[in-house]
Amino acid sequence: EAQVTQNPRYLITVTGKKLTVTCSQNMNHEYMSWYRQDPGLGLRQIYYSMNVEVTDKGDVPEGYKVSRKEKRNFPLILESPSPNQTSLYFCATRGGGGNEQFFGPGTRLTVL
Amino acid sequence: KNQVEQSPQSLIILEGKNCTLQCNYTVSPFSNLRWYKQDTGRGPVSLTIMTFSENTKSNGRYTATLDADTKQSSLHITASQLSDSASYICVVTQGSSGSARQLTFGSGTQLTVLP
Repeated sequence: EAQVTQNPRYLITVTGKKLTVTCSQNMNHEYMSWYRQDPGLGLRQIYYSMNVEVTDKGDVPEGYKVSRKEKRNFPLILESPSPNQTSLYFCATRGGGGNEQFFGPGTRLTVL
Repeated sequence: KNQVEQSPQSLIILEGKNCTLQCNYTVSPFSNLRWYKQDTGRGPVSLTIMTFSENTKSNGRYTATLDADTKQSSLHITASQLSDSASYICVVTQGSSGSARQLTFGSGTQLTVLP
């Protein structure tokens, strides 16, 4: 079954404690991206990756890092989380014609 | 600036009724427009995709229309069901190919279907 998985699904942490949200896909898609979703603001892109070892900033990259060492994985790293990073995070891949994106189930992050 | 505006922001209807959601965009050049359905706590799932030359497309009880001249799209839901309760997101792709930086998302319409 084609899918995008994220872990953890829920996370409560404290300010400054480094964390990583993992994302993995089994569709062999080259393109992967991270979004955050906040009430009234819709989905906003954080970072994206066109291929292995190729990453670039999206619209709201501040406070985040990513890496793409393998095609299937695209972890999101928060080196020093702050309360304004409390949000719902989605990983997505893209493949095929029409730019359809396949989203993961989401990670709800709370930073206290 | 590329923008996608959706209306209404929220909508409540009774089960069995029809409804129409609106999407206006200023993205240029235009490649395609997708409607996504996002259930609470889940990731968005694509419902329909429309290119410049298409003005209507159906997926079961969902029918999307596109007017590329006025840069407007609508999503019509027929005979609504409780399971249609979700957020519906309009996404416009700029150009013929490229990165997700060329995707512009609307903020969604929250639809609630009551029994």
